[in-house]
Amino acid sequence: GAGVSQTPSNKVTEKGKYVELRCDPISGHTALYWYRQSLGQGPEFLIYFQGTGAADDSGLPNDRFFAVRPEGSVSTLKIQRTERGDSAVYLCASSRGSPGANVLTFGAGSRLTVL
Amino acid sequence: DAKTTQPNSMESNEEEPVHLPCNHSTISGTDYIHWYRQLPSQGPEYVIHGLTSNVNNRMASLAIAEDRKSSTLILHRATLRDAAVYYCILRFARGSEKLVFGKGTKLTVNP
Repeated sequence: GAGVSQTPSNKVTEKGKYVELRCDPISGHTALYWYRQSLGQGPEFLIYFQGTGAADDSGLPNDRFFAVRPEGSVSTLKIQRTERGDSAVYLCASSRGSPGANVLTFGAGSRLTVL
Repeated sequence: DAKTTQPNSMESNEEEPVHLPCNHSTISGTDYIHWYRQLPSQGPEYVIHGLTSNVNNRMASLAIAEDRKSSTLILHRATLRDAAVYYCILRFARGSEKLVFGKGTKLTVNP
């Protein structure tokens, strides 16, 4: 597609449940990023993929969060045993992956609400 | 990580120019200066980037100080659709390619 697609756009779940958020990057973009954004804050980096491998996962807050990109295209962010503090908008972005100057294109985000 | 400092908020009138400042006194020689903006209920959107020289594109201009310790994003004629949070970000040419966002500047455009 023309842009970065994220599904679902909204997800409401109960505390303790498992959640998967999907990201479809722009075709041909080798780099893929996950961010989360709480109300009134700037996006917070979670993880970045170059191809199939996680090049930098330093932003994942704990081992309940995990992300995969098995074929170097679509990525899934997985959150186990969700907590109310996980409520946020989860943003995905992709880029061509050239160092320094390359531009990220963001999706509209998936809003997660944990009750 | 090199950090940026921006005002929390700014206000402008429609059809007037807007100058959004950013300080980055610890910038290194290989860091690119990127600007993104985020409209309400949307993901961030790329605006412009530069390394040393001033840059122009269809959306905005980027003026970079000679010592590179500060930069200014210039919107030549603000419209109501320019109301957004503007983020100034240093993009490292080496190492991890992640963008590190601050809180940005919330721009209000008055009709």
